[in-house]
Amino acid sequence: ETGVTQSPTHLIKTRGQQVTLRCSSQSGHNTVSWYQQALGQGPQFIFQYYREEENGRGNFPPRFSGLQFPNYSSELNVNALELDDSALYLCASSRTGQLRTYEQYFGPGTRLTVT
Amino acid sequence: ILNVEQSPQSLHVQEGDSTNFTCSFPSSNFYALHWYRWETAKSPEALFVMTLNGDEKKKGRISATLNTKEGYSYLYIKGSQPEDSATYLCAFKTGANNLFFGTGTRLTVIP
Repeated sequence: ETGVTQSPTHLIKTRGQQVTLRCSSQSGHNTVSWYQQALGQGPQFIFQYYREEENGRGNFPPRFSGLQFPNYSSELNVNALELDDSALYLCASSRTGQLRTYEQYFGPGTRLTVT
Repeated sequence: ILNVEQSPQSLHVQEGDSTNFTCSFPSSNFYALHWYRWETAKSPEALFVMTLNGDEKKKGRISATLNTKEGYSYLYIKGSQPEDSATYLCAFKTGANNLFFGTGTRLTVIP
């Protein structure tokens, strides 16, 4: 296993509600990225946090927001849930450096179902 | 949104067979190409990060090659074993921090 943990494992919410997903990064990693994987699709990049700042964002609306804490753990918040938000949400931690691209280490994911 | 395509979508091979699959990506704004193995009910596992045209990387029976000029990467598995059964994902990275994933190749190795 990678050492990246996510909670909760599964979650059921109602349309219009808000949800917070959590991710603890691997020791020594300063960057967390979040991905959404809908059924039959590859993971889609939501955003990345580096040193507590958003450091890149994919094609997701503002109701998807995040935080990174001083210990490099992270939260993904989704407001006004829609049925299409039902997906597996993955977080990945990595190191960020200027001279090389580092591997990302993924957590097991949170399965969100919106009814 | 950049288009990353993987083929085939799924593959069944006999134990001991060698196999390979393809990842196609845009040939412009290339920064890196990642390969992951994703077993059911587990986290995706990083296999390779490739950055240079002509790169070849190897981990045990798995190897990968990279052609950035024509926009493709091949993943090879030599002597497939049942434990190789998984979905293999590639992801293309531009200079920005976004990884664009393909939909994966699902490999099943039949004992």
